Amino acid sequence: QSVLTQPPSVSGAPGQRVTISCTGGSSNIGAGYDVHWYQQLPGVAPKLLIYGNTNRPSGVPDRFSGSKSGTSASLAITGLQAEDEADYYCQSFDSSLTGLVFGGGTKLAVL
Amino acid sequence: EVQLVQSGAEVKKPGGSLKISCKGFGYDFGDYFIAWVRLLPGKGLEWMGTIYPGDSDTTYSPSFRGQVTISADKSITTAYLQWSSLKASDTAMYFCARLGLNSRYFDSWGQGTQVTVSS
Repeated sequence: QSVLTQPPSVSGAPGQRVTISCTGGSSNIGAGYDVHWYQQLPGVAPKLLIYGNTNRPSGVPDRFSGSKSGTSASLAITGLQAEDEADYYCQSFDSSLTGLVFGGGTKLAVL
Repeated sequence: EVQLVQSGAEVKKPGGSLKISCKGFGYDFGDYFIAWVRLLPGKGLEWMGTIYPGDSDTTYSPSFRGQVTISADKSITTAYLQWSSLKASDTAMYFCARLGLNSRYFDSWGQGTQVTVSS
């Protein structure tokens, strides 16, 4: 059981918008710690997608955006493309565990 | 360009020992934390622990403390993850990842090392 909760899977048709939620608690997201998102394409290492809740590293398309409110965060992907099919993970810091924590991951299927 | 290059896949027997490596290129290795992250199929990513190569200060996840040892040699820009007695349940993909400067996110990842423990 992961400290941060994500839906196991989401899906959408090409061109559509999908969102992936990440729900935490009072010792992590709710305590004000930043949320970060990673994309893991099949067979390769994860890649930083969003850092500090809303920021995109250089090279990440603006189709990807992040938000945070209360004890939850969300990743939104607009203009869905076949190449977006991947696993997506949220990550934060937990003060009770005094360590870094991940969500369980969400598999995105592009129909 | 920042790169983390990990050692190759390993197949070991239960009870055996193992040390895998992660070599950093393209940045001042001693100035950035390096973490190890486990990927279990169906279970996702798990943070195992972090080391600061500048002084070898190490922090472990409670789930992995006592199960693995994380170390680093700044002089050869390499971090290590080792086991003294492997179990079948250690079978997984292991990634090293660099934490961004003064931050708690991973801005660069190694390619991963598959560890298989089987009799």
